Amino acid sequence: AQTVTQSQPEMSVQEAETVTLSCTYDTSESDYYLFWYKQPPSRQMILVIRQEAYKQQNATENRFSVNFQKAAKSFSLKISDSQLGDAAMYFCAYRSPIINGGSEKLVFGKGTKLTVNP
Amino acid sequence: DGGITQSPKYLFRKEGQNVTLSCEQNLNHDAMYWYRQDPGQGLRLIYYSQIVNDFQKGDIAEGYSVSREKKESFPLTVTSAQKNPTAFYLCASSIGLRASYEQYFGPGTRLTVT
Repeated sequence: AQTVTQSQPEMSVQEAETVTLSCTYDTSESDYYLFWYKQPPSRQMILVIRQEAYKQQNATENRFSVNFQKAAKSFSLKISDSQLGDAAMYFCAYRSPIINGGSEKLVFGKGTKLTVNP
Repeated sequence: DGGITQSPKYLFRKEGQNVTLSCEQNLNHDAMYWYRQDPGQGLRLIYYSQIVNDFQKGDIAEGYSVSREKKESFPLTVTSAQKNPTAFYLCASSIGLRASYEQYFGPGTRLTVT
């Protein structure tokens, strides 16, 4: 079974600076999808960015980018120019491409709480 | 605006009572999911449904039941058999089950059982 590990329960960053959140995963599959979700105090899960494993190019969405290292099974999230609104729980998630095999779910890490200091 | 609604936001029940959590979507999505979130944990899948009148157990289905009579609706019943029902419950939907399809989440329901 796939597992996702986020080794940083909490992180903090100064406004306008850059922070990197770590995520590692374990899988025997060669093709899969990885996601970063943000959960603000409202508790609604919001997709931040996603990466297809077959794509070598790292995904980027405005101030958010990932460093995807497939061989190392690492998928870190970099937030540039941090804003107060970035404060939230961030969850890394894995999704298998298999359908009808019991794998039709997002496998989540335990999350990293990000605090942004003004 | 299209989206997912969950009601109520907070729900309180006495131990031994069944309770049903509502989830409605107007995104015309075929697939719907129920996840449970506990403090300090990520989300865990309870049930999912690919299509009307069909649903499958997730990792922690014991003590829960679902129905999918309409495409838009996927209610979750927390039964008295669920040993630790107090948690935050999130409903999600996607166009289909393919991994490339984004899962959209509702605002969640916080269930407290005393």
